[in-house]
Order: sequence, then C-alpha cells, then structure tokens
Amino acid sequence: EDKVVQSPLSLVVHEGDTVTLNCSYEVTNFRSLLWYKQEKKAPTFLFMLTSSGIEKKSGRLSSILDKKELFSILNITATQTGDSAVYLCAVEAPGGSEKLVFGKGTKLTVNP
Amino acid sequence: DVKVTQSSRYLVKRTGEKVFLECVQDMDHENMFWYRQDPGLGLRLIYFSYDVKMKEKGDIPEGYSVSREKKERFSLILESASTNQTSMYLCASSFPGLYGYTFGSGTRLTVV
Repeated sequence: EDKVVQSPLSLVVHEGDTVTLNCSYEVTNFRSLLWYKQEKKAPTFLFMLTSSGIEKKSGRLSSILDKKELFSILNITATQTGDSAVYLCAVEAPGGSEKLVFGKGTKLTVNP
Repeated sequence: DVKVTQSSRYLVKRTGEKVFLECVQDMDHENMFWYRQDPGLGLRLIYFSYDVKMKEKGDIPEGYSVSREKKERFSLILESASTNQTSMYLCASSFPGLYGYTFGSGTRLTVV
C-alpha cells in the first residue's frame, strides 16, 4: 500500500528559527513528490521534485529529494509568523494515474 | 487567474439528507478530484475523474457518488448524509502530465 509519512506532525518555533520538515514515502513507480502549504483554506503549491539531489528554492524555502532513501525535506530559514500553516507532502500514486497520495501534514506554528 | 471554485464555504445539513457539493474549474483541465480532510488523517481521495462522464473510486468512496456531465464541473453527492461525513471537502483539478493540483477553497460540511 502506498504510504507517505510526515514528521513531525506539529512544530512550534520562534520567529527567526530555521525548521526542517520531513517526508518519507513508499510508492511503487515513483514519479514526483510535491509540497503544499495550507493556511486557512486551499493548499497552495510550493515545489515539485522529480530528481534526487537537486535543490528547489523559493525565497526562504527550499526542498530536496533523496530517491535512494525515499525521503524529502522542506527547509524554511528565518521563519516568520506568516509561515504558520500546515505543510503537506504528496507523491503520485502508481500507474501514471496522476492521483496524489498525501501525508497527514506538519502543522507549523511560528510565534513572534 | 485560474480558479477552482467550490460553491459553498460552509454547509450544515441534517442526517439523511441528500447533499450536493459543486466544483467548477475554468482551466480546461481533464482531471478532477474530490478529497476529504480530517484532523489526524490528512487528505483522503474519495473519487476522481479523467474526463467527462468518467469516474473512478478513490480510497474512501463509500457513502458518496459523483457526477461529471461537463468538463468544467465535478459534483460530489452524499446520498444520505451521516454525522461521520462531517468534514472539510476539497476539490482539485489538474492537466494530464502536469503534476500539481489546483485546489478549491474547500467546503466545510457539518452533518447534524
């Protein structure tokens, strides 16, 4: 059965801290791993990763994939209160169906 | 600006009622998906559709059905609402080969 496991499930930090969110997966015929940020409503797309070792970066956020060890990390440096959200990791289900299998998410709270 | 629109943000229905959740996208996407999101369980796929009049069961289809009569509209139907269907429902769409959903803002359904 396909599985995506995120850790930690929740995290509380202070502004300015650096955080690392983890995502491990077991999926046959892996094609891509995606990160989303969800505040009060719709998840918004952050990154899509398909190749090992290539870092994707957007401002203070970055992510990398390790296809050998089957995990990805999402780093946020110099956190701000606006980074408070649930961060979702998802991988594409097998068979090219383009369904995504989601982890349970990491709830990040950034306190001033 | 591309959009996935869910007709209601909040709904309260009675046990046994037939409930329709509507989702419309304006991006000419072939793929459309319905997920429910519950605390501690993450996003779980209910149904998805690759094309007009086509539908496939996801991981938790029991108690639900769907309709896709037009490409832009994907409806989720709760045949006889029950309290365990109280949840946040998220609709998403995607274009084949482009791995990344666009999500709607969600419908928070409460069944009393």
